[in-house]
Amino acid sequence: DIQLTQSPSFLSASVGDRVTITCRASQGISSSLAWYQQKPGKAPKLLIYDASTLQSGVPSRFSGGGSGTEFTLTISSLQPEDFATYYCQQLNSYPLYTFGQGTKLEIK
Amino acid sequence: QVQLQQSGPGLVKASQTLSLTCAISGDSVSSNSAAWHWIRQSPSRGLEWLGRTYYRSRWYYDYALSLQSRISINPDTSKNQFSLHLNSVTPEDTAVYFCVRDRYCRGGTCYSGGNFDYWGQGTLVTVSS
Repeated sequence: DIQLTQSPSFLSASVGDRVTITCRASQGISSSLAWYQQKPGKAPKLLIYDASTLQSGVPSRFSGGGSGTEFTLTISSLQPEDFATYYCQQLNSYPLYTFGQGTKLEIK
Repeated sequence: QVQLQQSGPGLVKASQTLSLTCAISGDSVSSNSAAWHWIRQSPSRGLEWLGRTYYRSRWYYDYALSLQSRISINPDTSKNQFSLHLNSVTPEDTAVYFCVRDRYCRGGTCYSGGNFDYWGQGTLVTVSS
């Protein structure tokens, strides 16, 4: 199985900050990576697919990058509604999709 | 707008079968550009992909290797829904279960490929010993 490791696991930031979350794959996965946002008690929401393509309706302050084994999710200016847990997911070894362990973004 | 509405019991006894249903509106379980998945989430295992079904002239099924002997996912075209059946459950199967649509579009054409764009509301299933 392809393992995904996110860093950091916890992140404390303020409204207006620029934050970056990293996802590392245990082997190369080209650009076959997606990012999700999950709020407490809710289902995950797709933010980005193909490593850098913004899902329809997602604000442009979210951006994704990377390929191979290292990927990033960047929020350019944090808004109050962005405090949530973020997950990466690999699609390379379909259909054995796997997720990262999550990064919890909290208000400082 | 696509909506996935889950139903099923929240409590199952160990050794019995966990059964959940996902009713689809705004799309078709027989769509040739979507796939339909079940994913679960627990504190110990995180987000775990369980399996999928999809239709491309015939029905296809794929399951997580660790669950292959216990799981089935079944489409029901008459009701436009799909179901999850997981037998011989143990307390380790306690989790929130989600049904999910897999579809994305690129260059005007839509595909399934592991991008989970619509999710059900989630069902907490507790397995009692």
